[in-house]
Amino acid sequence: NAGVTQTPKFRVLKTGQSMTLLCAQDMNHEYMYWYRQDPGMGLRLIHYSVGEGTTAKGEVPDGYNVSRLKKQNFLLGLESAAPSQTSVYFCASSFTGELFFGEGSRLTVL
Amino acid sequence: AQSVTQPDIHITVSEGASLELRCNYSYGATPYLFWYVQSPGQGLQLLLKYFSGDTLVQGIKGFEAEFKRSQSSFNLRKPSVHWSDAAEYFCAVKNSGYALNFGKGTSLLVTP
Repeated sequence: NAGVTQTPKFRVLKTGQSMTLLCAQDMNHEYMYWYRQDPGMGLRLIHYSVGEGTTAKGEVPDGYNVSRLKKQNFLLGLESAAPSQTSVYFCASSFTGELFFGEGSRLTVL
Repeated sequence: AQSVTQPDIHITVSEGASLELRCNYSYGATPYLFWYVQSPGQGLQLLLKYFSGDTLVQGIKGFEAEFKRSQSSFNLRKPSVHWSDAAEYFCAVKNSGYALNFGKGTSLLVTP
């Protein structure tokens, strides 16, 4: 049972480039989330989804877009990367409140 | 808005000593509270959770936490720390939507 899988695990971008992070879960969870983790800041919610075809903004949504075309997948996109988006990104899914996390994707924007 | 505060950024404990990590929450109703642990380079793993009922909650790896409404606290404890417990610990509260709000974390260092 894979749980929550994130790809890629590492990526280096130049300012202005675009990219997509993919999150896949095999637990049939309705809710999925994207958080970013920065030193001393804890985890901050970027966007979340309460079901297939739905998305909503979290605490720090600017500069990101998301899509949930299939229940098991939640994509996080950066259209024009900025150095301030250098971070570790975590995807999570849930059914009853407890979140299950992926192992993270480390993104560096030069 | 629902929030949590972890007053200690870093804590150092000797192996075999007891541990208490503090967490204070801000929430009007009965909160759903969680403690997660993150080892270096890893994702977050749930240690324990409180939804209702018994205010002393047992978790994995020998951890427990006590919900105290009068103090708005949900402190994590372990009677005897092992070197493998060195990690980052996060307290979280379920917000009025569908997500968790996390504290900024406490980094635990275990010395021989």
